[in-house]
Amino acid sequence: DIQMTQSPSTLSASVGDRVTITCRASQSISSWLAWYQQKPGKAPKPLIYKASNLESGVPSRFSGSGSGTEFSLTISSLQPDDFATYYCQHYNSNFGGGTKVEIK
Amino acid sequence: EVQLVESGGGLVQPGGSLRLSCAASGFSFSRYWMSWVRQAPGKGPEWVANIKEDGSQNNYVDSVKGRFTISRDNAKNSLFLQMNSLRAEDTAVYYCAREEVWGQGTLVSVFS
Repeated sequence: DIQMTQSPSTLSASVGDRVTITCRASQSISSWLAWYQQKPGKAPKPLIYKASNLESGVPSRFSGSGSGTEFSLTISSLQPDDFATYYCQHYNSNFGGGTKVEIK
Repeated sequence: EVQLVESGGGLVQPGGSLRLSCAASGFSFSRYWMSWVRQAPGKGPEWVANIKEDGSQNNYVDSVKGRFTISRDNAKNSLFLQMNSLRAEDTAVYYCAREEVWGQGTLVSVFS
């Protein structure tokens, strides 16, 4: 099984900050990675598909990069609506443990 | 538009069984690996099982091996999850997924 490791598990930041979340695969997964945002009481919402492609309707301040075993999700200027938990997932397989982005 | 619609969830006692179904539309179902994902209350999402395009290969998370069976009917654009010997810890919303696209989910509650 390919394991997905996300870091950090919690991130404290302020509105306007640039934040980066990292996801590492235990072996190469090419670009078969998605990023999700989840808010309390809601289902996860896909943000990024195939590592670096922005889902329709997702603000351009979100971006994804990486391939192989190292991936990152970057929010260029954190907005109040972005405080949430973020997950990476190897397609049709394991999720990372999640990163909670909270207000500093 | 890709659509995935789950059904079959409900309340069941420990040791019981349920069969989840997923009706797929808007894409060439037989060309994609498909999977089931679940999310228990207050927990992160968890991948449960996946199945190859032609149904010839499948994989499961360790906690459901020997109890759950994933299958598909490409002629009917349908995905299934047979869940046997259900436990309280299987309580979750179950989602049918094609890569990053998920259905709306169906709730499975296992209680005594």
